[in-house]
Amino acid sequence: DAGITQSPRHKVTETGTPVTLRCHQTENHRYMYWYRQDPGHGLRLIHYSYGVKDTDKGEVSDGYSVSRSKTEDFLLTLESATSSQTSVYFCAISDSPRGGNTIYFGEGSWLTVV
Amino acid sequence: AQSVTQLDSQVPVFEEAPVELRCNYSSSVSVYLFWYVQYPNQGLQLLLKYLSGSTLVKGINGFEAEFNKSQTSFHLRKPSVHISDTAEYFCAVTRIIQGAQKLVFGQGTRLTINP
Repeated sequence: DAGITQSPRHKVTETGTPVTLRCHQTENHRYMYWYRQDPGHGLRLIHYSYGVKDTDKGEVSDGYSVSRSKTEDFLLTLESATSSQTSVYFCAISDSPRGGNTIYFGEGSWLTVV
Repeated sequence: AQSVTQLDSQVPVFEEAPVELRCNYSSSVSVYLFWYVQYPNQGLQLLLKYLSGSTLVKGINGFEAEFNKSQTSFHLRKPSVHISDTAEYFCAVTRIIQGAQKLVFGQGTRLTINP
């Protein structure tokens, strides 16, 4: 298994509170991603990083921010959580930008916003 | 832009029966196609991928998929399923945007194996 650790694995939070999810990798991969999984939508890309301090938006980035201060850590922050952000969040990593490269996924973080 | 459609949201099958999970893609350029499996309460695991060459791709756990360029399909098959194959299966295609590879996923197909 790829060395990806997500924390917390489960969290319940209240609407309007900030939440930070952490992804930690031990593979020294350059590329890191945050996806969210919702029924009927598969997985959708929130943000990605192509190096330390280099990040960009994915297709569902509204309401989310990210930071990457070290190669091994990629943080996803919900500045003010809403019920629509209740989802399962997956971190993923890759060591190459090539189209056929395998992207490896973490175990997921279940977030419930009440 | 690339997109993926999985034609069945749920597929119930009896144990030891064959199964096919259907995936169609749209792309105007060369494609790289993937199938991932997600067991309950777990992350995604790569089953197989198509890069080029032989259109029949073999993966883990006895699964295989066939790339059909003319029909823009990449269907996943297994000749005889087991209870342990109960999971959700995702088809995905790669997009390269600003020098980074990104996966675009289909909606997922939930495979349920009945004894």
